[in-house]
Amino acid sequence: DTGVSQDPRHKITKRGQNVTFRCDPISEHNRLYWYRQTLGQGPEFLTYFQNEAQLEKSRLLSDRFSAERPKGSFSTLEIQRTEQGDSAMYLCASSLVVGGVPEAFFGQGTRLTVV
Amino acid sequence: SQQGEEDPQALSIQEGENATMNCSYKTSINNLQWYRQNSGRGLVHLILIRSNEREKHSGRLRVTLDTSKKSSSLLITASRAADTASYFCADARQLTFGSGTQLTVLP
Repeated sequence: DTGVSQDPRHKITKRGQNVTFRCDPISEHNRLYWYRQTLGQGPEFLTYFQNEAQLEKSRLLSDRFSAERPKGSFSTLEIQRTEQGDSAMYLCASSLVVGGVPEAFFGQGTRLTVV
Repeated sequence: SQQGEEDPQALSIQEGENATMNCSYKTSINNLQWYRQNSGRGLVHLILIRSNEREKHSGRLRVTLDTSKKSSSLLITASRAADTASYFCADARQLTFGSGTQLTVLP
């Protein structure tokens, strides 16, 4: 296992199109996080899963954003009707939470450009 | 929310000097993690300090935690040009981040 994998690394889309990003966490990790990051800012928390359960989704930026983790393994983040303001880096992280303090590992991110 | 704020926002030093970054919270913090991010890349975990620890060392890194002041500091000693990056703190439970400190180490 080489770590958290995100696909694609780059995505250019036209305004109004839907996009979907995929995150493959480290295989034994039970927690998965999604973040958005714009230039010069820290990662902005969007949502996270514990296994297949989405435990926090109130931070999703709008109802155009949705995430799934159907089998508790990989996850997808979908943005519907993209807007230019959605252009950003989308980061995924995973961790193993077993009583102790989890160390999160991040993927390299998907850079979205909406034109 | 458990979002840390790093200070300063930007720091520029000469190679060999020490760099100190601070992190503060409005609410109480427990275990705290520091991360590093090179430009355009994902975040890399540097060090975790638990709520019952006051100081922790890892190589050239020294982290302190003051739960009463709701603050933490990261010290990088004998800095190198390769340390140039953004540094973030995060509550270990909720994993929310501030805007980070952009460190530039000049050769």
